[in-house]
Amino acid sequence: LAKTTQPISMDSYEGQEVNITCSHNNIATNDYITWYQQFPSQGPRFIIQGYKTKVTNEVASLFIPADRKSSTLSLPRVSLSDTAVYYCLVGAYEGGSEKLVFGKGMKLTVNP
Amino acid sequence: DTAVSQTPKYLVTQMGNDKSIKCEQNLGHDTMYWYKQDSKKFLKIMFSYNNKELIINETVPNRFSPKSPDKAHLNLHINSLELGDSAVYFCASSQDRWGSSYNSPLHFGNGTRLTVT
Repeated sequence: LAKTTQPISMDSYEGQEVNITCSHNNIATNDYITWYQQFPSQGPRFIIQGYKTKVTNEVASLFIPADRKSSTLSLPRVSLSDTAVYYCLVGAYEGGSEKLVFGKGMKLTVNP
Repeated sequence: DTAVSQTPKYLVTQMGNDKSIKCEQNLGHDTMYWYKQDSKKFLKIMFSYNNKELIINETVPNRFSPKSPDKAHLNLHINSLELGDSAVYFCASSQDRWGSSYNSPLHFGNGTRLTVT
């Protein structure tokens, strides 16, 4: 059963690049790594997904080392609206049943 | 257009009552989920249905019963509500079963805040 570990919180300033890490030491061969963003009173929203190396989309980049035991979400130039909780999710498929394990999430606060 | 919609948004009720939360998705997805987010903000999966078949049933009291009349709908019925049931309940959907294929992320609704008094 894959589990994830993230820092509890992080503070940043507008315009900075923010890198958020996630540890997933027990990741399985078939698991993908997905990141979500959650604002207060809303459901989590998909940001980016990857399997290995680097993935980039219009909002973020995801860096995954060769051993896949960790991943880093990079937000290029944050704004106040990026203040949210960020979740790292690793899918796990075990013996016919599937477990969806969210980490505790990391609260990012972007200051002016 | 709302992709995953839940009703009601807020639900305040007394202990011992029975209540239902409804969820609908218009994304054409095959799999739907119920998650519970407690006061500590942990997101825990409760149930998952794939094409109306129950595929995930976590350790949840049997007072909670999901029902999927078709693959676009997944409702949650809760009997004999308790104080500890107070939380935000999120419905979600994905194209395939999570973890079975790439590009099948979860799409969440905006939650139902349940308060049991």
